[in-house]
Amino acid sequence: DVKVTQSSRYLVKRTGEKVFLECVQDMDHENMFWYRQDPGLGLRLIYFSYDVKMKEKGDIPEGYSVSREKKERFSLILESASTNQTSMYLCASRGRGTGTEAFFGQGTRLTVV
Amino acid sequence: QQQVKQSPQSLIVQKGGIPIINCAYENTAFDYFPWYQQFPGKGPALLIAIRPDVSEKKEGRFTISFNKSAKQFSLHIMDSQPGDSATYFCAASTRSGGYNKLIFGAGTRLAVHP
Repeated sequence: DVKVTQSSRYLVKRTGEKVFLECVQDMDHENMFWYRQDPGLGLRLIYFSYDVKMKEKGDIPEGYSVSREKKERFSLILESASTNQTSMYLCASRGRGTGTEAFFGQGTRLTVV
Repeated sequence: QQQVKQSPQSLIVQKGGIPIINCAYENTAFDYFPWYQQFPGKGPALLIAIRPDVSEKKEGRFTISFNKSAKQFSLHIMDSQPGDSATYFCAASTRSGGYNKLIFGAGTRLAVHP
């Protein structure tokens, strides 16, 4: 059974804290993605990575950074958490080619207080 | 800017009804159009997908209709069941700048009443 695993289901952090969200996939996929999900806005792409140590900005990268030191692991970093970053964060992985399926983790519900 | 526009935002049908969810896009470089289904507390999962050289695809009770000239595609759920109650996302994929990206619509929350 293929898996994308996010390290936490729920997180509560204080404003200004540095926050790490971790994602691990076991499918040897080249591409990994971080989305945030907000009601009425769907899934918005924050960052993605197409190879180890490679990253590209998505549609809403401000306030975030990412790290991919190993193929199976993709981390999202909130340098200084703010209340407007309270959201559901979803990690996904996908193989090469435009017609490949994306597999999602179960999501991390982050609340910044 | 939203590259994939999805409607309606929410939908309520009775069991056995045929909910229809619509999506529209502008970028003619999109070449793969999947639909994802998400249940509460879960990540989205692939439901069905279509390529633009096909006008319709059926998998069980789920059908995608694709209109390339209008740049629109839609999801139909035949004989809908309460277990189909979920959020549905359309998406489009393109190879842009050498990378493959999936762009999602805003989602439709479907409720099927018994």
